Amino acid sequence: GIQVEQSPPDLILQEGANSTLRCNFSDSVNNLQWFHQNPWGQLINLFYIPSGTKQNGRLSATTVATERYSLLYISSSQTTDSGVYFCAVERSRGSQGNLIFGKGTKLSVKP
Amino acid sequence: EAQVTQNPRYLITVTGKKLTVTCSQNMNHEYMSWYRQDPGLGLRQIYYSMNVEVTDKGDVPEGYKVSRKEKRNFPLILESPSPNQTSLYFCASSMITPGRIYAQYFGPGTRLTVT
Repeated sequence: GIQVEQSPPDLILQEGANSTLRCNFSDSVNNLQWFHQNPWGQLINLFYIPSGTKQNGRLSATTVATERYSLLYISSSQTTDSGVYFCAVERSRGSQGNLIFGKGTKLSVKP
Repeated sequence: EAQVTQNPRYLITVTGKKLTVTCSQNMNHEYMSWYRQDPGLGLRQIYYSMNVEVTDKGDVPEGYKVSRKEKRNFPLILESPSPNQTSLYFCASSMITPGRIYAQYFGPGTRLTVT
C-alpha cells in the first residue's frame, strides 16, 4: 500500500523561529491534507492541498504531486503552534475514501 | 455551529461487553470515517462511508462494525471489545465530489479503555 512518511519526527523551536515540515508519499494521490493536533487532543484541518500552494496567516503549504511530497511552513512560531502535525493522503488508484496518515511531526515551541 | 459530535467522550468497559460509540455531524456531509489513534502508530482508518448505506473497510477494521442508516450518523460498534481495542477514537466527516474527498472535520475524540 501507499507509504506516508513525515519528517522530522520531533522538532523544538524557540518562539519566533520558522520551520518546515515535510510529508513524502509513495504513490500518486487525489487528496492531501494537513492537520494540527493540539496538546488537548483536538484535530484541526489546516490545509486541503492536493497540489499547488496555499497560505493561511503564518502557515503555508505546498504540494508537488509529481514529485510526491508536501511541505508545511510555519513562520514566526508561537507557543500555541505546539502539538503534532499530520499529513494524510487519499490514493488516486483503488479505494476512494481510504485515507492514510503519516505518523506526525511533534512540534514544541518554547517561550 | 458546524460540528462533529461523539459520545461518550470517555468509556471504561470490560472485555466482551458490547458497546457503541455514536458520531453525528450537522454539515450534511456525505463522507464519514472512523479512526483510532495509538502511541507510535499515528491515526489509522477503521471504516468509512461515502454515503447512506455505503460503507467500506479501512486499514484496521477487525473487531469493529459500522452502519450508515442516516446521513448525519455513523455509529461505531464493538461487538466483543478486547484490551487491544483500548485507544483514542476519532470520527470525521467531509464533503465529497466524484473522485475527491475534501477537508475533513474531526469530532473531539472518545477515549476507550477495555479491561
